[in-house]
Order: sequence, then C-alpha cells, then structure tokens
Amino acid sequence: SQTIHQWPATLVQPVGSPLSLECTVEGTSNPNLYWYRQAAGRGLQLLFYSVGIGQISSEVPQNLSASRPQDRQFILSSKKLLLSDSGFYLCAWSVVQPREETQYFGPGTRLLVL
Amino acid sequence: AQKITQTQPGMFVQEKEAVTLDCTYDTSDPSYGLFWYKQPSSGEMIFLIYQGSYDQQNATEGRYSLNFQKARKSANLVISASQLGDSAMYFCAMRERNTGGFKTIFGAGTRLFVKA
Repeated sequence: SQTIHQWPATLVQPVGSPLSLECTVEGTSNPNLYWYRQAAGRGLQLLFYSVGIGQISSEVPQNLSASRPQDRQFILSSKKLLLSDSGFYLCAWSVVQPREETQYFGPGTRLLVL
Repeated sequence: AQKITQTQPGMFVQEKEAVTLDCTYDTSDPSYGLFWYKQPSSGEMIFLIYQGSYDQQNATEGRYSLNFQKARKSANLVISASQLGDSAMYFCAMRERNTGGFKTIFGAGTRLFVKA
C-alpha cells in the first residue's frame, strides 16, 4: 500500500531564515506530487505540483520554491522566510488519471515564522 | 467567481443523526470529478468519496454518500448516523480541465460539530 511521509511535523523559524520541508511517497511509481498551504481556518492553496523528476509547476508567485530530485521525493524550500509563510503545509500524491485523479495527503507540517 | 462554494462555515448535528454538507461548483468542462475530504484536528486530509460527472448513480462509501445534482451543480455530502469522531473540517473539491491539463480546486470548508 502507498504511504506518504512529511517532516518535520512542526517547525518554528525566525523571519529571514531558510526553510526545507521534505515529502516522500512509498509504494507507487511516478506519482504526481503537490504542495499545498493552508492558513489557519482556511482552505487549501496549491503552491506547486510536479508530474516527474525535475518538473515543477508553480501556481502562486512567492518566495518559496520546490524541487523533485527523485521520483518519490518532493522538497519545499525558501531562502528567506516571511511572516506570511506561516501555515500548515500539506504534501499530496496522486496517480495519473485525468478526472478521477484522487489526491492523497500526508500528515502535514505546521510552520510558524516569528 | 468561486469555483467551489461551501456556504456553511459551521454545522452542528446530534450524534446518530444524518447531516448534509452543501457544495456547489462552477465549471464549463463537461467532464469533471468531485471529491470530499475530511480534515480532523490532527490536520491530515482524508479522502472520503469521489463522484464523476458522468456517473449515473450517486457515489456511496459506507456512511458517506454524495447527493449529486448535475443540473444544479451541487454535490452535497450526506453523513448518516453521525458519530463523535465525525467532528472535523470537510472540504469539497473539483477536478476540471484547465490550460495545461487538469486542476483540483478546493472549497473553503465546513466545520462539523457532532454533539453527544
């Protein structure tokens, strides 16, 4: 069965510090991968998605970046965090199916920027 | 314009009763998919149920069913026999074609409170 891992679970970082959040998927090959951000009490905002190694699409211009160095690894990064980067970051994976493509989510990382 | 609208920020239901969470959507794609997710306080998003736009029957998964009314563009989630563990945020989502491929869009969510 497939599983998705995210770490760390919680992170407190000062403004201007770098960020690296990691997501890995097990039990599937060549998945689509996604990074979402959820502000407190709000819905999900798609940040990045990837259909393959090295292929990253950005949905929202910001100071974050994403990379996919391996088939089942997706990394969210920032060189300098802003206060507005605080939120709950969710990674998701899906198998490639046009309309029936169900996304399955990881446990998330809570980021607080102070 | 909102693609996915969940008009109920919060809902209360008595344990063991049924509850309906509303979701309306807007798309010009004739073929699309509709999803519901549950997010408990732990934060994890849990997939509940899927409905394809061409599916003739309403989707059901255990105590969850999707009341799909295509002409009205609504995809309400019905939870039967509510349990205390059903207290959570619920998100409706739609997958449709857009420039460059397909995209999944999430609603703002409805918080469900189940009372003992």
